Order: sequence, then C-alpha cells, then structure tokens
Amino acid sequence: QVQLVQSGAEVKKPGASVRVSCETSGFRFSIYGFTWVRQAPGQGLEWMGWINVYNGDTNYAQNFQGRVTMTADTFTKTAYMELRSLRCDDTAVYYCARNSGGGYQDHWGQGTLVTVSS
Amino acid sequence: EIVLTQSPGTLSLSPGERATLSCRTSQSVTSNNLAWYQHTPGRAPRLLIYGASRRPTGIPDRFSGSGSGTDFTLTISRLESEDFAVYYCQHLGLTFGGGTKLE
Repeated sequence: QVQLVQSGAEVKKPGASVRVSCETSGFRFSIYGFTWVRQAPGQGLEWMGWINVYNGDTNYAQNFQGRVTMTADTFTKTAYMELRSLRCDDTAVYYCARNSGGGYQDHWGQGTLVTVSS
Repeated sequence: EIVLTQSPGTLSLSPGERATLSCRTSQSVTSNNLAWYQHTPGRAPRLLIYGASRRPTGIPDRFSGSGSGTDFTLTISRLESEDFAVYYCQHLGLTFGGGTKLE
C-alpha cells in the first residue's frame, strides 16, 4: 500500500536550517509530485510548495521563496524539504503529501514537528 | 491569487445531525480543481472530496461535495463521532481556505 513516512521531530535554534525527509513506498515514486504543507500551532494548513519528481520542476509559495528547497531522490524514493534561516514562527508540524494526477494531495505523511527556539 | 473563504469558522452540532460547510472563492474556478480535506488533531490530513464532488475510494458516502463557480459546499449527512475535526477546502492543489472547525 501507499506509504509516506517522515523523519522525526527536530529542535532548532533561530537562524539554523532543517531538512525533513519523506520516505515513500508502495507506488512508482518517479512519476509523482510531492507537496509540502505546514501547520503552525493554532493555525490552519499552509501550502509551502511542490516538486515534480519526473522533471525536477518546483513551485514554492511566495512566503518561502529564497528560504526553502524541495528535492527528491529517485533511488531511495525519498522527498526532502529544507527550510533555512529558521525563525521562531517556523515552529510547526510539516507534512509531505503525494500529488495525484489532478493536483490534489491523495496520500499524506504522518507529519514532523519542527520546533524553533533559542 | 485566488482566496478561499470558508464559513462558518466553527460549527457546533451533535452526532446524527447534518453539517453544511461552505467554501467561497474570490474568482470563479473550475470545479475539477476544488478539493476538501479533513484534519483531525494529531493525524495527517485526509482527502475527502476532489473535483468538487468526487469521493476517493474508502471515503464514506455520508460525505458529499457540490457547487460550481465561486460557491462550493461540503455536506456530511449524518455526523458520526469521528467526523468532529477541521475541514479545509483547497484550490488547484495549492491554496487552502482558513478551515471550518466542526465541534
């Protein structure tokens, strides 16, 4: 079955970087895209961007332009999201999700809590 | 950029009742590009509806979606205890609405 398993919780200091991984199984990784979404405490879902594994294209939300990089490793079937210059308000649960053919997200990882604190 | 506005912000109902959630877009959108998700605290979001009215395999038929243009609706015909969660609409796999908390 389709599975997306994310890396564990992280604690970072302001100004640092974090990389969250999303290891997949149960489907043909190389033909899909992956979206990253986050939820800060008490807030709603925030779309961060996506990567198309097939051609490497990326599309980042304006709020994260210049601070985020999304990559994918077809050998390990793993998607990655790196966020740099972390601020306290980047504290959130970060989710990876598989993009269906229609663009919506049909399978999700379990989420990774990233805490940014001095 | 298309803005999605969901209402109400919070909906208080009881099991067995009918829930009607609204999602309004700032511009007319293609129905194919409108989706709904359910998010229960501590769990991953779950796709409920895509293409405005289609249910993925495994989603109970008490969930239904409708609408076109700028006005879309998610209806839960008879609430069960596990349905109390936050619901989000989404356009084009990108922007989410602000969410409706069903309590």
